[in-house]
Amino acid sequence: QQQVKQSPQSLIVQKGGISIINCAYENTAFDYFPWYQQFPGKGPALLIAIRPDVSEKKEGRFTISFNKSAKQFSLHIMDSQPGDSATYFCAASTEGYSTLTFGKGTMLLVSP
Amino acid sequence: NAGVTQTPKFQVLKTGQSMTLQCAQDMNHNSMYWYRQDPGMGLRLIYYSASEGTTDKGEVPNGYNVSRLNKREFSLRLESAAPSQTSVYFCASSERLAGGQMGDTQYFGPGTRLTVL
Repeated sequence: QQQVKQSPQSLIVQKGGISIINCAYENTAFDYFPWYQQFPGKGPALLIAIRPDVSEKKEGRFTISFNKSAKQFSLHIMDSQPGDSATYFCAASTEGYSTLTFGKGTMLLVSP
Repeated sequence: NAGVTQTPKFQVLKTGQSMTLQCAQDMNHNSMYWYRQDPGMGLRLIYYSASEGTTDKGEVPNGYNVSRLNKREFSLRLESAAPSQTSVYFCASSERLAGGQMGDTQYFGPGTRLTVL
């Protein structure tokens, strides 16, 4: 059973637009929510992460929005650039002795 | 620092052959992981090692074995390769398992692309 559901599978956005990727979870014990970015032929790398004690975290053009009651979190990429074209994975874990559970990924293409 | 290194980068096996994927990290991390990535399936955890001397099964351990050789190295072995094991394999490491105050960043290697014919 997939514990973190990610949508959409793929996304095409024009340069300068806003890219939005959504994730939903069922396990209320999750308390750490990172996003990883993966360029073709490379391994994933941490992009930004949030804990549920805040509703939003912003780092440059990247923002995580978190809705604890709805058990949803999303990644917003403002002013999307062709260099943002990559696969994005959301993930979640519980405090303590835990591994990450990843979503299935979203392939983002930002058209010039 | 090289970070996480993996060898080989590419490998083609015939069904039934065995091989070992090597992984090493130079960040003095305690925890290491093996994932496989398949189209539309995301990253699935095969095995992990929370600390030197321990290993545990992840989501998809069948057909694989692991060895935490020392703090730096964590290898993945396919004893009898099957076409279903065709995938891209990633090794990762982190200071400790996810969780705690802010979780722990996992650092990934560049991957090994394995094809089993």
